[in-house]
Amino acid sequence: AQTVTQSQPEMSVQEAETVTLSCTYDTSESDYYLFWYKQPPSRQMILVIRQEAYKQQNATENRFSVNFQKAAKSFSLKISDSQLGDAAMYFCAYRSANTGNQFYFGTGTSLTVIP
Amino acid sequence: EPEVTQTPSHQVTQMGQEVILRCVPISNHLYFYWYRQILGQKVEFLVSFYNNEISEKSEIFDDQFSVERPDGSNFTLKIRSTKLEDSAMYFCASSDLRRETPTDTQYFGPGTRLTVL
Repeated sequence: AQTVTQSQPEMSVQEAETVTLSCTYDTSESDYYLFWYKQPPSRQMILVIRQEAYKQQNATENRFSVNFQKAAKSFSLKISDSQLGDAAMYFCAYRSANTGNQFYFGTGTSLTVIP
Repeated sequence: EPEVTQTPSHQVTQMGQEVILRCVPISNHLYFYWYRQILGQKVEFLVSFYNNEISEKSEIFDDQFSVERPDGSNFTLKIRSTKLEDSAMYFCASSDLRRETPTDTQYFGPGTRLTVL
């Protein structure tokens, strides 16, 4: 089975600064999707950004961008101009394009934004 | 924006009791999922459901678990005889895998925290 690793259980960032959350994964497949989800306290998981493995261009959504390194199996999330509302648990997830619909999640990174 | 909803937000039960966790997926979605997260551990896949039948399930999803879509809107997870190790956050998700829309993204509910005493 695929494994997803988030090596940073907790991170903190000063408001308005930039922070990068790490994610690595292990797969033998060449076609897959990668996701970052955000889970604020006591609220539902929200999709932040997604990346298709066949695309070389890194996905960007406003202040959120990824650094997708397919050869290194790395998928980090960069949050620019951090805001207080960015404080949440962030989960990295993998989904195969060919062998089923289930997501494989990392253990999450808890992000604190310091005013 | 449409959301996946789950009830209850917190369920406390005695070991050996049956529980039913409820989910209302996004209305035009066709695939439904349950995941669980034991405290401090990864979110783990349990089961996916399509066209009124299970399409995939993990080894966690044993005979104690069942899923059902009893009507056109609800999607339920039943645990027949709860064990202490079933204590976890249970997340429901749905996705729309038709070709016309982004086919790979799952939308998650807020979760139900199940505590088994």
